[in-house]
Amino acid sequence: QVHLVQSGAEVKKPGASVKVSCKASGYTFTGYYMHWVRQAPGQGLEWMGRINPNTGDTNYAQMFQGRVTMTRDTSISTAYMDLSRLRSDDTAVYYCARGSSSWDLDYWGQGTLVTVSS
Amino acid sequence: QSALTQPASVSGSPGQSITISCTGTSSDVGTYNLVSWYQQHPGKAPKLMIYEVTKRPSGLSDRFSGSKSGNTASLTISGLQAEVEADYYCSSYTGRITFPYVFGTGTKVTVL
Repeated sequence: QVHLVQSGAEVKKPGASVKVSCKASGYTFTGYYMHWVRQAPGQGLEWMGRINPNTGDTNYAQMFQGRVTMTRDTSISTAYMDLSRLRSDDTAVYYCARGSSSWDLDYWGQGTLVTVSS
Repeated sequence: QSALTQPASVSGSPGQSITISCTGTSSDVGTYNLVSWYQQHPGKAPKLMIYEVTKRPSGLSDRFSGSKSGNTASLTISGLQAEVEADYYCSSYTGRITFPYVFGTGTKVTVL
């Protein structure tokens, strides 16, 4: 069965960077997009972007352009999301999710809490 | 990029049916049949409930159904039971390069 397992919680200072990993298993990693979605405390879901693990091509939401980098290591079926110049309003749970060709996200990781605080 | 508009809360009694609306624009919901619905229980990751407007993932209860009319998509939950009490989010492909995917504002479903 499909599993997406994310790295553990992080606490960062404003201005720092964070890198969250997402290890996939149970399917062909290069056959599906990997999306990243975040959710601030008590708030809704916010789409950040996606990566094609086969080609490395990325699409980022405009509001994260210049601050987010999504990469992958196909040898270990792992996707990464790097967010730089962190601010307090970046405090959120960050999810990876497998995406199909029709843009639905059918499997999700357990989430990684990133706390930005001085 | 504006989120799709959902009612903040919807409630119903056990056994009843409820419908959650998701209003977008002619550029997203109105153009593409790529609307999905997600269920999220507190402290848990979202779960895909409906994709491509009307399709259910394998094994999902047929008490959940989706539809679309114009710029508004809808999720109907029939035969309400306590376990469906959760937050629900719609989403849509937008076709825009700067923001190709958008979620709804979310709806809290309460079973009275």
